[in-house]
Amino acid sequence: GDSVTQMEGPVTLSEEAFLTINCTYTATGYPSLFWYVQYPGEGLQLLLKATKADDKGSNKGFEATYRKETTSFHLEKGSVQVSDSAVYFCALSDPINTGNQFYFGTGTSLTVIP
Amino acid sequence: GAGVSQSPSNKVTEKGKDVELRCDPISGHTALYWYRQSLGQGLEFLIYFQGNSAPDKSGLPSDRFSAERTGGSVSTLTIQRTQQEDSAVYLCASKRGTGNYEQYFGPGTRLTVT
Repeated sequence: GDSVTQMEGPVTLSEEAFLTINCTYTATGYPSLFWYVQYPGEGLQLLLKATKADDKGSNKGFEATYRKETTSFHLEKGSVQVSDSAVYFCALSDPINTGNQFYFGTGTSLTVIP
Repeated sequence: GAGVSQSPSNKVTEKGKDVELRCDPISGHTALYWYRQSLGQGLEFLIYFQGNSAPDKSGLPSDRFSAERTGGSVSTLTIQRTQQEDSAVYLCASKRGTGNYEQYFGPGTRLTVT
């Protein structure tokens, strides 16, 4: 069945460092892919999404490219800030093949230190 | 517009008591999901509603858990005879419909069973 595997954390980076959080997926069809962010004490917020192969989602300096050939959707940011400290979740939705179920990764905790 | 709201934001209850958690989805969103997030863990799918269709209850962990959605809008998650292992954050999310749309999450209800 469909699933998402993301890089285990926690990740600790210094401010202005480059961030990569790996995410790979398994799907029978052509899913949409999402990154959600959860700040402490809050619910999940959509960070970015991509709905087809080679699409790049971007928001707040974060980017992720939907790579069908490697079944990946890695999250990147060129220069992280303290305010980026949060838990990041990769997710997949494949309505045609698996209905309206969303598949979430286990989350990667990021701490950015000044 | 208004986002997904949940109430209460925090609930402390004694073991064995019943609790009700409420979710108000975004107006016009026909899909509604409940998830459970234990401390430091990922999201555990509980139940999904879509319009007037029968809900997908495949994620409910036991028959102590139930949920309903009245009038296709507000949803209530009920946990009967609460146990300490039920302590978690309960997240609700809504989605515009059955297509390739993202989920919008509420802030969650933190349940503590003493």
